[in-house]
Amino acid sequence: DAKTTQPPSMDCAEGRAANLPCNHSTISGNEYVYWYRQIHSQGPQYIIHGLKNNETNEMASLIITEDRKSSTLILPHATLRDTAVYYCIATYGGSQGNLIFGKGTKLSVKP
Amino acid sequence: EAGVTQFPSHSVIEKGQTVTLRCDPISGHDNLYWYRRVMGKEIKFLLHFVKESKQDESGMPNNRFLAERTGGTYSTLKVQPAELEDSGVYFCASSPLTGFRLAGDYNEQFFGPGTRLTVL
Repeated sequence: DAKTTQPPSMDCAEGRAANLPCNHSTISGNEYVYWYRQIHSQGPQYIIHGLKNNETNEMASLIITEDRKSSTLILPHATLRDTAVYYCIATYGGSQGNLIFGKGTKLSVKP
Repeated sequence: EAGVTQFPSHSVIEKGQTVTLRCDPISGHDNLYWYRRVMGKEIKFLLHFVKESKQDESGMPNNRFLAERTGGTYSTLKVQPAELEDSGVYFCASSPLTGFRLAGDYNEQFFGPGTRLTVL
């Protein structure tokens, strides 16, 4: 699985969009980008994933650059409950295999 | 629908003792994973069951750890004997098994709340 790089921490004002970047310059052509988050003392939670195209679901949007070397997770209207550690993971789709968690980005949403 | 459950939520034991952690996956999920986060470190994969079979146990740290999934339903992770460095949070996750690998088949794993293990 490709290595990912994320900033260790970010702040965001409540109600504003949170944009979390991730670099995955060594990603291979059939590796997907997944995002999970871990809210304090809970288990990790799946957010979204994508391969090439931008994706949107009820939680977030995922923007992947054309060269696929980086991506951005967007929480359109961050709330205090979005305060968590966000993990960007590059892995093969359909692998049913394990997830490799890095250090992630600690997002603090402030009132 | 019930999520992944883990028992106990907390366990405090003495070094050298034995502890057994239990995970009940979401009903119908054939994939079951164990992960752990030890103090100050990242979440690390331990092993992966497909039904009752161990698909990948490359993350198991040593032979003091034994995982079972008899009958392909719930799973147990036993640590015997426990050492101080085993302290941390142990997570279980589950996911459904697709009949074949699909492009775009996404690897959404549903995690339990974890068991916090403290070895004194």
